[in-house]
Amino acid sequence: DTGVSQDPRHKITKRGQNVTFRCDPISEHNRLYWYRQTLGQGPEFLTYFQNEAQLEKSRLLSDRFSAERPKGSFSTLEIQRTEQGDSAMYLCASSLRPYEQFFGPGTRLTVL
Amino acid sequence: QKEVEQDPGPLSVPEGAIVSLNCTYSNSAFQYFMWYRQYSRKGPELLMYTYSSGNKEDGRFTAQVDKSSKYISLFIRDSQPSDSATYLCAMSGVASGGSYIPTFGRGTSLIVHP
Repeated sequence: DTGVSQDPRHKITKRGQNVTFRCDPISEHNRLYWYRQTLGQGPEFLTYFQNEAQLEKSRLLSDRFSAERPKGSFSTLEIQRTEQGDSAMYLCASSLRPYEQFFGPGTRLTVL
Repeated sequence: QKEVEQDPGPLSVPEGAIVSLNCTYSNSAFQYFMWYRQYSRKGPELLMYTYSSGNKEDGRFTAQVDKSSKYISLFIRDSQPSDSATYLCAMSGVASGGSYIPTFGRGTSLIVHP
């Protein structure tokens, strides 16, 4: 399968714990995006990488959130000191052309 | 007021009907207009994108953009039960660095019943 993959698919954690999600984009795609989606809402932009450079961050991305894309390949999104309000689907997308994004299946986070 | 408004539905139609899905927006800088389909508990899948105004057709799907009215539509002909999903509109302009970060609508839930 040459699509975008995300790991894990589901994560249940307790409030205050740290979690890390991984995204593997389509191999030739240099652009990578992270989004958060809650029930009944569209995806909300979190951050954007072009190759290894993090070029944009949403104000939604508080200082508890950090993302990396070492060597411009896979990316990780870490949430420190999780809160119940962090419960959501975290989506990763990659693209070659910026308006043609391919999404992964998402990581569903539940914070108890 | 949100930048992109989309009626959440649900929209329920019989199999074979023509479906019309719509979004309105307020940001005149938007130039790229996309439609995604999202099945339950899956990631969105890009259906079509359109640049600026006009129509674009792909099989049973037609996308229309009216920039003067800030209104976009997706038409689905001969709808099938497998079309039952949430349809998300998204749109973007050109940000510094060429990032084209899209703004999504909240999605319209479509149900096509046999």
